[in-house]
Amino acid sequence: QITLKESGPTLVKPTQTLTLTCSFSGFSLGAGGVGVGWIRQPPGKALEWLAVLYWNDDKRYSPSLKNRLTINKDTSKNQVVLTMTDMDPVDTATYYCAHSRLAGNWYFDLWGRGTLVTVSS
Amino acid sequence: SYDLTQPPSVSVSPGQTARITCSGDDLPNRYAYWYQQKPGQAPLLVIYKDSERPSGIPERFSGYNSGTRVTLTISGVQAEDEADYYCQSSDSSGTVFGGGTKLTVL
Repeated sequence: QITLKESGPTLVKPTQTLTLTCSFSGFSLGAGGVGVGWIRQPPGKALEWLAVLYWNDDKRYSPSLKNRLTINKDTSKNQVVLTMTDMDPVDTATYYCAHSRLAGNWYFDLWGRGTLVTVSS
Repeated sequence: SYDLTQPPSVSVSPGQTARITCSGDDLPNRYAYWYQQKPGQAPLLVIYKDSERPSGIPERFSGYNSGTRVTLTISGVQAEDEADYYCQSSDSSGTVFGGGTKLTVL
């Protein structure tokens, strides 16, 4: 059974760097055709894809946020870490990590429950 | 990058058929995926690879790709289907989600 859980601060100040950890079980990032992605959702708004890390350590970032994002994995801990620099109140959102699978194209078949991050001074 | 466009809202009565569309210029070259999101919950995959249904998703959910438009169809809509629905597609450079459609069951 695949599970994912996001963890990190619930409140960050403007200009600070946000670090979020996705802890997962039930699969290995060493297995082909597997990835972990991050998606966020501001309150009352749509989903926004942020980044994805694939089993071969290939990484992709949202073009609009790529200068602020870094995604890495710790295979031994079954974790994927996302950092976002220079946080702003507009970055207030629920941040989800999700298991990504390749079937045709890449998609997200299982999601964590999400963690709400508020950016405020 | 590219955009996926969805209608903001769709309303149907129980038992009717709901159709939610997603338009994008690159959709003829990509597969589409659909997610259901109920208030306070994480998204749930309901359709993958245009028309495939994951295990556990009711047969009333179906999808098809007709070129630059993909459609999620919910036949015999039930009250529990009221939710936001998002389409998604990807290519080698990344992923994009549509703006979401709120399905209201009258």
